[in-house]
Order: sequence, then C-alpha cells, then structure tokens
Amino acid sequence: DIQMTQSPSSLSASVGDRVTITCRASQSISRYLNWYQQKPGRAPKLVIYTSSKLQTGAPSRFRGSGSGTDFTLSINNLQPEDFGHYYCQQSYSPPYTFGQGTNLEI
Amino acid sequence: QVQLVQSGAEVKKPGASVKVSCKASGYSFTSYGISWVRQAPGQGLEWMGWTTTYNDNTNYAQKFQGRVTMTTDISTSTAYMDLRSLRSDDTAVYFCARFRRDVETIASWFDPWGQGTLVTVSS
Repeated sequence: DIQMTQSPSSLSASVGDRVTITCRASQSISRYLNWYQQKPGRAPKLVIYTSSKLQTGAPSRFRGSGSGTDFTLSINNLQPEDFGHYYCQQSYSPPYTFGQGTNLEI
Repeated sequence: QVQLVQSGAEVKKPGASVKVSCKASGYSFTSYGISWVRQAPGQGLEWMGWTTTYNDNTNYAQKFQGRVTMTTDISTSTAYMDLRSLRSDDTAVYFCARFRRDVETIASWFDPWGQGTLVTVSS
C-alpha cells in the first residue's frame, strides 16, 4: 500500500496569513493527489484534485502543487472559515490511502 | 443539486452485521461509482472500497475483504455497504462519496460526500 505522510500534524495561524501543508507519498504517484477539508462533525469536502486543480466553488486562495512524491497545499490570506482538518489522498492505485491529517487552527 | 443522503445511526453488538444506505440525487447515478470511507472517533479517514453503479464491479481494501459487500440499486439510485462480523474497533462514522474518474487518465476523486452514518459496536 502507498503510505501518505502529512506535515505538520497541527498548525496555528492568524487571519491573513499564508500557510502551507505538505504531503509525501511512499512512492511516486505522478500528480494523482487530492486534498480535502473537514470541519468538526461534518463530511470532508474536496478542495483540490489531481494535485493542482481547484474544485468548483472552492476559494481561489487555495493552491495545490507537486508531483511524484512531494505535494503541497497552500492557503493564502487565511480566513476564519478555513479552520479544520485537511487530508491528502492518493488516487494512483487502490487502496486509495489518506494522510493522517493536519489540524489547522485559526 | 448533487446530494448523497445516508441512513441513520446504528448500534450493533459484536459479531452482528450492519447495512448502511446512501441515496443519490441530482445526477445520473450510473455515470459515477460510489466509494465508502470510514472514520473512527478522533481518527483519520480510511478508504474501504468502491463499486461501479452500472454493473456492480467492486474493489475492496484488503483489510475488509471477506467482511464487506458494496452493492447498488439503480432503480432507487441507492448504494449499500454491508459490514459483517462487527468488532468494537469497527465503531466509526461511515461515509459514502461519489467516485469521479477522469476520462483520459487514472485520476479519481471523491465528491460530494454523504453526511455520514455513525455505527457503534458495543456489547
């Protein structure tokens, strides 16, 4: 199975900041990497798919990049509604594994 | 709008089975697959498997092979996940999600997700 490792596991930032979350795969997954946001008690929501494509309806301050084994999710001009957990997920091969998550606190 | 609505919370005893439903609306049900993901209390996300909706082909995570069955009913646009021989560590919120695949590559993603179904396994 492909292991996905996120860092940091938690992150505290202020409104207006720029934050970056990284995700590393245990083997090359090309660009087949997705990012989800999850708020407490809610279902995850797709933010970025295929490494850098912004999901319809997601704010343009979210940006994804990377290929191979190393990926990043950046959030510019952090807003209060951006708090929550963020998970990366590889779609290169099943089982479609997730990272352990990053808790973003504003 | 595209929506997945799941069945309500369940409480089961160890050794029992649970069947969670996921009713889709707002799109052509047979044009996308359905995936299932679970989340134990305070933990991360764990992919369980996925099923096509037009011919019930399935792909299960090795961990759940032999214990899980994913099916669909196209007449009601509903997907089902049946988990057997429940243990206490199966206590989790179970999510269904529409499984989207790119037509030209192997890229895929889960969007949208159902609201989740809490399954509690306790004696």
